Amino acid sequence: EPEVTQTPSHQVTQMGQEVILRCVPISNHLYFYWYRQILGQKVEFLVSFYNNEISEKSEIFDDQFSVERPDGSNFTLKIRSTKLEDSAMYFCASSSRGFETQYFGPGTRLLVL
Amino acid sequence: GEDVEQSLFLSVREGDSSVINCTYTDSSSTYLYWYKQEPGAGLQLLTYIFSNMDMKQDQRLTVLLNKKDKHLSLRIADTQTGDSAIYFCAEINQAGTALIFGKGTTLSVSS
Repeated sequence: EPEVTQTPSHQVTQMGQEVILRCVPISNHLYFYWYRQILGQKVEFLVSFYNNEISEKSEIFDDQFSVERPDGSNFTLKIRSTKLEDSAMYFCASSSRGFETQYFGPGTRLLVL
Repeated sequence: GEDVEQSLFLSVREGDSSVINCTYTDSSSTYLYWYKQEPGAGLQLLTYIFSNMDMKQDQRLTVLLNKKDKHLSLRIADTQTGDSAIYFCAEINQAGTALIFGKGTTLSVSS
């Protein structure tokens, strides 16, 4: 069964550094998403991406964040100048169409020291 | 704005039925979802229901939707220790571009 994959599974970085989180969505899906979950809190939407552009972003997704689909298979989330409060589990998801079921990857746990 | 509320904890004995409840605010939501998260793991889609349905059954899982009260429930029959996890209710936003999650209900199953 096709699945969303994410790398790395864990990342530790120093405050102020840049990190890139990678995702490989399900191959025939066209819509891609990033969510985050701070420890013990609810899963929060960050951004959705379709047709090589952002279709929606939340208030959390400020200039510190960017997304890219650098090739036909990868979908990345870049966090510039990381802050302590960026420590969270970051989930990638994909769907075949808008309003269709979103399938999630296993997540990348980011720890900013 | 859109919001989803769930009770935080539920404790049941193995073999009993579990009922996890959720309320949502956006009456125009077309799809409502239940995801399961085991410790340290990602979000696994359990089931979903379209807004024009009242009930959906899938093996041990039964989803009930009361659109008038904006209330969604997930019933797990014959709950097993392997069902211990956090269960998230989620609705799709009006644009169909984002899921709005509840805080999750931690289900603890004792033998």
